[in-house]
Amino acid sequence: AQSVAQPEDQVNVAEGNPLTVKCTYSVSGNPYLFWYVQYPNRGLQFLLKYITGDNLVKGSYGFEAEFNKSQTSFHLKKPSALVSDSALYFCAVRYSSASKIIFGSGTRLSIRP
Amino acid sequence: DGGITQSPKYLFRKEGQNVTLSCEQNLNHDAMYWYRQDPGQGLRLIYYSQIVNDFQKGDIAEGYSVSREKKESFPLTVTSAQKNPTAFYLCASSPTGGVRETQYFGPGTRLLVL
Repeated sequence: AQSVAQPEDQVNVAEGNPLTVKCTYSVSGNPYLFWYVQYPNRGLQFLLKYITGDNLVKGSYGFEAEFNKSQTSFHLKKPSALVSDSALYFCAVRYSSASKIIFGSGTRLSIRP
Repeated sequence: DGGITQSPKYLFRKEGQNVTLSCEQNLNHDAMYWYRQDPGQGLRLIYYSQIVNDFQKGDIAEGYSVSREKKESFPLTVTSAQKNPTAFYLCASSPTGGVRETQYFGPGTRLLVL
């Protein structure tokens, strides 16, 4: 079945430390992968996406993600976390054979000063 | 959130009442989408439209209806048949319905039941 998983409900990181938010997807044709961020009572903001080509994708606000086909993962990373990065993060996948995008359940990222 | 507006920000529904959520975009996008967000469940697709005067059901269309009479507008009606409508509703659009396209989201409408 086509699916995406975010195995951690919450990630806690100290400001200035590197952060990783995990995402894995099921193998079902060619996946197109997306990361979004949501601040409280707001809509989702697009961060980055992987379509094809270079496995390392750079996006907004210093975030990047690496597409790893062998591990079916697309983890979101940032070298140095900011308190303002605290938010809810969604990974999403869309397959070349599918008509809709599938969202993960979200990971709440908390950056402590 | 720029380019996509949703109104109202908060909406209260009484028992047996139909309510309509507005979604407007000025991005000249062909495709538009409605999602429902519940805590801990991510986003679930209600309806989507890839072109004017055409729309398809998503995963949880029961109790909802839509129309797409204009390219820039995709209103969602929550009918009395939707027994658990309390949620955060998000509208999105993309240039086309293609699988590589990024969807851009509005600020959302929170629907509460009185």
